[in-house]
Amino acid sequence: SYVLTQPPSVSVAPGKTASITCGGDNIGSDSVHWYQQRPGQAPVLVIYYDIYRPSGIPERFSGSTSGNTATLTISRVEAGDEADYYCQVWDTNNDLLWVFGGGTKLTVL
Amino acid sequence: QVQLVESGGGLVKPGGSLRLSCAASGFTFSDYFMAWIRQAPGKGLEWVSYMKRSDSEYYADSLKGRFTISRDNAKNSLFLQMNGLRAEDTALYYCARVEYSASSAAFDIWGQGTMVIVSS
Repeated sequence: SYVLTQPPSVSVAPGKTASITCGGDNIGSDSVHWYQQRPGQAPVLVIYYDIYRPSGIPERFSGSTSGNTATLTISRVEAGDEADYYCQVWDTNNDLLWVFGGGTKLTVL
Repeated sequence: QVQLVESGGGLVKPGGSLRLSCAASGFTFSDYFMAWIRQAPGKGLEWVSYMKRSDSEYYADSLKGRFTISRDNAKNSLFLQMNGLRAEDTALYYCARVEYSASSAAFDIWGQGTMVIVSS
């Protein structure tokens, strides 16, 4: 089955840029979606179809894909961005239609 | 506003059953695919099941035969019947709306979840 690999943790100072990667075999040919999950809260979609932001998501959040890696970039990081972030693809080649990465804990120093 | 509210979770013994419900509001429920996703304590997200607008059910391979998804479009409700529950089914179960296209699908609206604990 399709596997998405994320780093368990990323740390960044306030005001800096955080990059969270999601690795998968030829992931650049799939659409990748990203979710933010703050502690004790439900996930929120922050990037869909690789690069699009739902309404209400700050422009500081952006996405990109290339080859075997998708990247969520958060510019001018704020304390409120501290959360778990999950990437996700829709894999119709296998029974597990939705595949999530293992999640990355973003810590704002 | 657009909202999903889950209910029906609780403590159940191994081998027991539970029926989860999800009440939708703020959008035309019958226009959307809907899904269940779960999250075990301290773990990541795992897709469980989804259903198209009125039929066609899909399940994670490991859950086939034990869980059944259904919906009542007249009552704007989604359900998950869970039978033969195991300790490893212990998780927070989220209801989510599916943003679907021919090439991909994402979960654009999530409920707050309902907790299922399977323990003797």
